Amino acid sequence: KQEVTQIPAALSVPEGENLVLNCSFTDSAIYNLQWFRQDPGKGLTSLLLIQSSQREQTSGRLNASLDKSSGRSTLYIAASQPGDSATYLCAVSGSQGNLIFGKGTKLSVKP
Amino acid sequence: ETGVTQSPTHLIKTRGQQVTLRCSSQSGHNTVSWYQQALGQGPQFIFQYYREEENGRGNFPPRFSGLQFPNYSSELNVNALELDDSALYLCASSTPASGIRAGELFFGEGSRLTVL
Repeated sequence: KQEVTQIPAALSVPEGENLVLNCSFTDSAIYNLQWFRQDPGKGLTSLLLIQSSQREQTSGRLNASLDKSSGRSTLYIAASQPGDSATYLCAVSGSQGNLIFGKGTKLSVKP
Repeated sequence: ETGVTQSPTHLIKTRGQQVTLRCSSQSGHNTVSWYQQALGQGPQFIFQYYREEENGRGNFPPRFSGLQFPNYSSELNVNALELDDSALYLCASSTPASGIRAGELFFGEGSRLTVL
């Protein structure tokens, strides 16, 4: 059974700092991995999608990497801003085309 | 391009009642899936619909049921509501399976259900 773990559960950093969020998964047989952002009480906003054949994806200040063999992904946020404060969720594709999520990392960026 | 829209945004029900949640998928998306997110947890997969048929289901009891319509919109129905059904219910639609972004899910803002 696929399990997704995100570390740390919460993170507080000063504005301008570069940071890394970690995601690990137990079964390397995935089709893709997706990172999402969730603001309190809101839906999920897709940030980056990495197909199983890819190693990384970049969008603006965000860079996500994927190492299928070790079951790990990282989300790198450069020059963090207070507007980046949110919960970040990692999800891997399941056998039914569904997504299996971690519990998220709650990020707080202090001005 | 219109994104995924869900209604209602908030609702309160009592134990034993029934609820219907609605979702309009993003233009061009033919697959709709539903997720339940309890407070402080990641979303859990309920089921998925493709071309009006259920083609995947998570570990949820039969009182959770759904429909997909010819225009790809969808409904989630929950019967005999229990206190533990209180959660944010998220609908997602998927891109067609082609190209580098195949399989990417786009979510709506969710419906917050409170069961008293």
